[in-house]
Amino acid sequence: GAGVSQSPSNKVTEKGKDVELRCDPISGHTALYWYRQSLGQGLEFLIYFQGNSAPDKSGLPSDRFSAERTGGSVSTLTIQRTQQEDSAVYLCASSLVRLGAFSYEQYFGPGTRLTVT
Amino acid sequence: QKEVEQDPGPLSVPEGAIVSLNCTYSNSAFQYFMWYRQYSRKGPELLMYTYSSGNKEDGRFTAQVDKSSKYISLFIRDSQPSDSATYLCAVGPGNQGGKLIFGQGTELSVKP
Repeated sequence: GAGVSQSPSNKVTEKGKDVELRCDPISGHTALYWYRQSLGQGLEFLIYFQGNSAPDKSGLPSDRFSAERTGGSVSTLTIQRTQQEDSAVYLCASSLVRLGAFSYEQYFGPGTRLTVT
Repeated sequence: QKEVEQDPGPLSVPEGAIVSLNCTYSNSAFQYFMWYRQYSRKGPELLMYTYSSGNKEDGRFTAQVDKSSKYISLFIRDSQPSDSATYLCAVGPGNQGGKLIFGQGTELSVKP
């Protein structure tokens, strides 16, 4: 079946511009996650959705970052007034959270490579 | 101090070698321990997970957790060039779902 898809795959933007990154999770997956991976760094958690609500948004680095999820499916991560330090690969993952079952099997998309010039 | 520490390498081994990859973590509350493999320009894929202490084996891969020393390991036997990738350890709290906390990743190269 179809995996997690993300668009665009690459995005180059000028400092100060806004960008929107999109994630399509695996159909039926209730949980959706955004992570950021900078050069030579591990994955840094940004935000977690369960359905359309975000019980954990503790990783968003500043108020320039926001995310929403609609219809329990597609999610959009928005970065306003981009800065050079926002350059990274933004990864989306989804999982099926079920009571009594292992819920950490997160399936990742290929990522969006963001470059801020 | 980072919650999960992992030597970034790079690590280069000859084909057929046994590879040992390791992480340490700081919070004794973590319950789930995972290893992800990430090929260049791809998203990570889950290799193995363990709950609490102990060993888990899957083919050529063995995951080991020692909660007393807060140490997790992944062993790869009979390594192959196709194992060349970045290996990321991750830990999760005891809740259902939620964020994972990742190590920096170790870049492994298996030479034919």
